[in-house]
Amino acid sequence: QQQVKQSPQSLIVQKGGISIINCAYENTAFDYFPWYQQFPGKGPALLIAIRPDVSEKKEGRFTISFNKSAKQFSLHIMDSQPGDSATYFCAASMMGATNKLIFGTGTLLAVQP
Amino acid sequence: AAGVIQSPRHLIKEKRETATLKCYPIPRHDTVYWYQQGPGQDPQFLISFYEKMQSDKGSIPDRFSAQQFSDYHSELNMSSLELGDSALYFCASSLDRGYEQYFGPGTRLTVT
Repeated sequence: QQQVKQSPQSLIVQKGGISIINCAYENTAFDYFPWYQQFPGKGPALLIAIRPDVSEKKEGRFTISFNKSAKQFSLHIMDSQPGDSATYFCAASMMGATNKLIFGTGTLLAVQP
Repeated sequence: AAGVIQSPRHLIKEKRETATLKCYPIPRHDTVYWYQQGPGQDPQFLISFYEKMQSDKGSIPDRFSAQQFSDYHSELNMSSLELGDSALYFCASSLDRGYEQYFGPGTRLTVT
């Protein structure tokens, strides 16, 4: 079963608008939650990440909101631009012998000019 | 800044053939991860290495094997290839099993 659930599957936003992508997890042992951006045929690129001891993290136009009690986190892209059009994956990992990433199913974002 | 290097970028093989994918991590990174991404799917963890030792194993078929060498580069060996092995294979690296993983550009494997 999908350990990290992501929605929506696809999203269309007008230029200048706010894009919001949501993720939920079950395993409370997860302690690191990154977001990756992937363009077609390219490798995922680390965008922003958060630890559960913080409720919000902002880097430029990208913000992660984290709700530990609800086991949910979301990515907000402010002032969305056509160049932001890509697939976004949330992920989770836990410190241990390895920090393998468990990915969500991805959201295809299209920002219309 | 130097990134993760993967070779080859594209590979076409026939069923039952063997393929070898190579990954060169970011300099000083000692941890390597392999992921498989099918069309329209999320990356799935295959295997990881830390300091040349296997550290974790995911849903990797027995037909696949991997290792990390003394210079920290890694190779994924795939034998008896099947049509279902066609996918993008990504390598990622991190420092000291750190949280931040940086992905390479991937190898697109097509099995015909």
